[in-house]
Amino acid sequence: DVKVTQSSRYLVKRTGEKVFLECVQDMDHENMFWYRQDPGLGLRLIYFSYDVKMKEKGDIPEGYSVSREKKERFSLILESASTNQTSMYLCASHHTEAFFGQGTRLTVV
Amino acid sequence: QQQVKQSPQSLIVQKGGISIINCAYENTAFDYFPWYQQFPGKGPALLIAIRPDVSEKKEGRFTISFNKSAKQFSLHIMDSQPGDSATYFCAAEGSTLGRLYFGRGTQLTVWP
Repeated sequence: DVKVTQSSRYLVKRTGEKVFLECVQDMDHENMFWYRQDPGLGLRLIYFSYDVKMKEKGDIPEGYSVSREKKERFSLILESASTNQTSMYLCASHHTEAFFGQGTRLTVV
Repeated sequence: QQQVKQSPQSLIVQKGGISIINCAYENTAFDYFPWYQQFPGKGPALLIAIRPDVSEKKEGRFTISFNKSAKQFSLHIMDSQPGDSATYFCAAEGSTLGRLYFGRGTQLTVWP
């Protein structure tokens, strides 16, 4: 069965902290994506990756970076967390369709 | 700039009724149009999808209608059930594999 696992369901971090969100997929997919989901705004693409060590900016990359050292793992990094990054973060991997993780609800206080 | 526009933002339908959600796009390079269903506390999951070489696709109670000339597509849920209550997202994909552009979502409530 297809599985995309995000390391945390809920996180609370302080302003200015460096935050790591981890995502692992077990389907050997090359393409992985990070979205944030906010009420009324839908899913907005932050970054994506087509292969190990490769990354592409999405629509809202400011304040974020990513790391893809292994094919199965795609990490989202908030360099210095701010309150406007409080959101639901969704990871997805894609082959013929996108498979999403359950999301990480991040609160920055 | 919203690449895919979705309406309505929320929808309340009586059990057994028809739910209709509409989406529109501008980029004619889009060639794949999926709909995702999301329940509270879960990630979105693919519900049904269509390519522009057909005007309609049906899977059970769910139907996508596609109008290429108008650059519009819609999701119809027949005989809506309380278990269909969820948030629905339309999306579009173009030449960049897996790069999806999502609508803002429709929160559907089906009451008994």
